[in-house]
Amino acid sequence: EAGVAQSPRYKIIEKRQSVAFWCNPISGHATLYWYQQILGQGPKLLIQFQNNGVVDDSQLPKDRFSAERLKGVDSTLKIQPAKLEDSAVYLCASSPRGGTKNIQYFGAGTRLSVL
Amino acid sequence: KNQVEQSPQSLIILEGKNCTLQCNYTVSPFSNLRWYKQDTGRGPVSLTIMTFSENTKSNGRYTATLDADTKQSSLHITASQLSDSASYICVVSAETGGFKTIFGAGTRLFVKA
Repeated sequence: EAGVAQSPRYKIIEKRQSVAFWCNPISGHATLYWYQQILGQGPKLLIQFQNNGVVDDSQLPKDRFSAERLKGVDSTLKIQPAKLEDSAVYLCASSPRGGTKNIQYFGAGTRLSVL
Repeated sequence: KNQVEQSPQSLIILEGKNCTLQCNYTVSPFSNLRWYKQDTGRGPVSLTIMTFSENTKSNGRYTATLDADTKQSSLHITASQLSDSASYICVVSAETGGFKTIFGAGTRLFVKA
C-alpha cells in the first residue's frame, strides 16, 4: 500500500515570496490533515478536511495560508506571502475517517526555509 | 488550558539499556492517548493508542502505560537498539462537540553503540 506522498521535500524561498505544497493521501482515506512542525516542537494542526470539506481550520493563519482539496483526494497548501517564522516542516497526514481514535498516517513532510 | 508536556526533552542511552519517557497532560475530556515515533526527516508513526479504560499497551519492545487519574503516561523501551534513536511524541485527544488533538513537543532519544 502506497503511503502519503508529499512534494517537494525541500523548499527555500525569500520572505514575501509565495510557496505551495502538495499532498496525495493514501487511497480511500477520507480525512486529510496539514500540520506545521517547527524545529524542536510537536506538530500543530493547521487544517483538517473530511473529503473536500473543511472540518477544522481554527489554527490556520488565514491572512497568508490557504488550503484546498477540491476533488476530495489530493490537497495543496499555499503560503502567500511567506514570513521568516513560517520556516518549518509541513506534514500531511490522512486517515480512513475522522475521529481521534483513527490512526493518522503521515507523509515525510516538506521542509521550508524562509530567508 | 489543554496541554501535553513531555520529559525529558532529550535522552542519551547506551544500546541494550532500557529507558522510560514521560508524558503529563491536562487535556479534557480525555478520549485517548497515542505515542508516535518520528525518525529524523520522516513523519510520525503510531506506536500505541490507549483509551480511558486501558492502563497498558505493548508493541514489541515498546510498552505504554496510562494513569487517567493522575493524567500521566509513560513509554518504556526495553533493550534499546540504535534504530530506536528518534523523537517520541505523546498525543492526547479530547472529544467534545468536535475533536481536539494536542501534540507534545516530544522527547529526543539518542541510542549510542
